Amino acid sequence: AQSVTQLGSHVSVSEGALVLLRCNYSSSVPPYLFWYVQYPNQGLQLLLKYTTGATLVKGINGFEAEFKKSETSFHLTKPSAHMSDAAEYFCAVSEGGGYNKLIFGAGTRLAVHP
Amino acid sequence: GAVVSQHPSWVICKSGTSVKIECRSLDFQATTMFWYRQFPKQSLMLMATSNEGSKATYEQGVEKDKFLINHASLTLSTLTVTSAHPEDSSFYICSASFPGQGNTIYFGEGSWLTVV
Repeated sequence: AQSVTQLGSHVSVSEGALVLLRCNYSSSVPPYLFWYVQYPNQGLQLLLKYTTGATLVKGINGFEAEFKKSETSFHLTKPSAHMSDAAEYFCAVSEGGGYNKLIFGAGTRLAVHP
Repeated sequence: GAVVSQHPSWVICKSGTSVKIECRSLDFQATTMFWYRQFPKQSLMLMATSNEGSKATYEQGVEKDKFLINHASLTLSTLTVTSAHPEDSSFYICSASFPGQGNTIYFGEGSWLTVV
């Protein structure tokens, strides 16, 4: 069975500071990994995804994530936080590999303060 | 713009009644859609996989007679919460695999259900 662990339910950073949201996964097959962002009372927006190939994946809004198989990690980073980045972030793994139903982590709420 | 749309965005219903939520794929055909449920301040939990033209596949612990899923066309899946109770109040989100962009999975805007 696959699972996702997001370390830190709440992360707070200053505007302009580095954003690092941690995600570790467990999968018996090569995983497809995703990061989604959710703003209050809204659906999910895809930030980026890893399927195969290059392990450093660049997404929207300046976010990127690196797939590290040896560490079973897919941490999300952004060099400089903006106030508009404040939201809930979910890491997910596709069950069984490929594009299938997603298993989500518990989520990390990012707060950005002036 | 949105590639997956849900309706309604908000719905309030009385206990014991049924409510239907629609999930539409816009401008593409989705043979498979997924329904998730999200309680406040919690993560998304998969409820069921909706397959066009066949029965939905429900996750363990999800009552299939309570959460009826119909995927009658390649662009529409519906979730009907039957005999709703206050504990069914939640945020319901659907997703579909978009053939373009390498089968990226897109989510609908979500539907808030409040049962009073």
